[in-house]
Amino acid sequence: KAGVTQTPRYLIKTRGQQVTLSCSPISGHRSVSWYQQTPGQGLQFLFEYFSETQRNKGNFPGRFSGRQFSNSRSEMNVSTLELGDSALYLCASSLGPGIGNEQYFGPGTRLTVT
Amino acid sequence: AQSVTQLDSQVPVFEEAPVELRCNYSSSVSVYLFWYVQYPNQGLQLLLKYLSGSTLVKGINGFEAEFNKSQTSFHLRKPSVHISDTAEYFCAVSGSNTGFQKLVFGTGTRLLVSP
Repeated sequence: KAGVTQTPRYLIKTRGQQVTLSCSPISGHRSVSWYQQTPGQGLQFLFEYFSETQRNKGNFPGRFSGRQFSNSRSEMNVSTLELGDSALYLCASSLGPGIGNEQYFGPGTRLTVT
Repeated sequence: AQSVTQLDSQVPVFEEAPVELRCNYSSSVSVYLFWYVQYPNQGLQLLLKYLSGSTLVKGINGFEAEFNKSQTSFHLRKPSVHISDTAEYFCAVSGSNTGFQKLVFGTGTRLLVSP
């Protein structure tokens, strides 16, 4: 069974631009969560989606948004990019939001903002 | 809200020696605890998890952890490490009030295994 895939793997953008990152969960998984990883702030939760609905959101500005499609694939968007948005963005999928459903992480998208 | 403290940012150890990576958590509600490993340029892989029941949890690659509610700790141990265990290790917690899937991570411990 294929793992979580994230595209693109690397991305370079300029301040002020916007970016869309994509995540394809493991087949049969319906929950997708996103995390931001930076050297300064570590791993921080962005959002969680299940059945196309956002169930949980982390403490990030409104420039960060996401969505989930009917096939469980998810995208996250960052508008008006800032230098501080440079990070590794990790996506994780699981069968559902229930207790015990392990999250499987993708390799991440490394975003560099110049 | 939950929080996690990993007391050591880096732990150097010789191959075949035992190792303990420390993790303390803070929460006012029931918690679920996890240890993840991250190899360079890769995502996170779950080593083990504590949901309920036995406080000694065994995971993959010979790792184990013990949940200690009175000390609010969940330390990770391995009796004999290999060079290939060199990686970053993250302790994480989720709570019954915030949802199982929302993980709060510690700052990580870099395990450096040398021959």
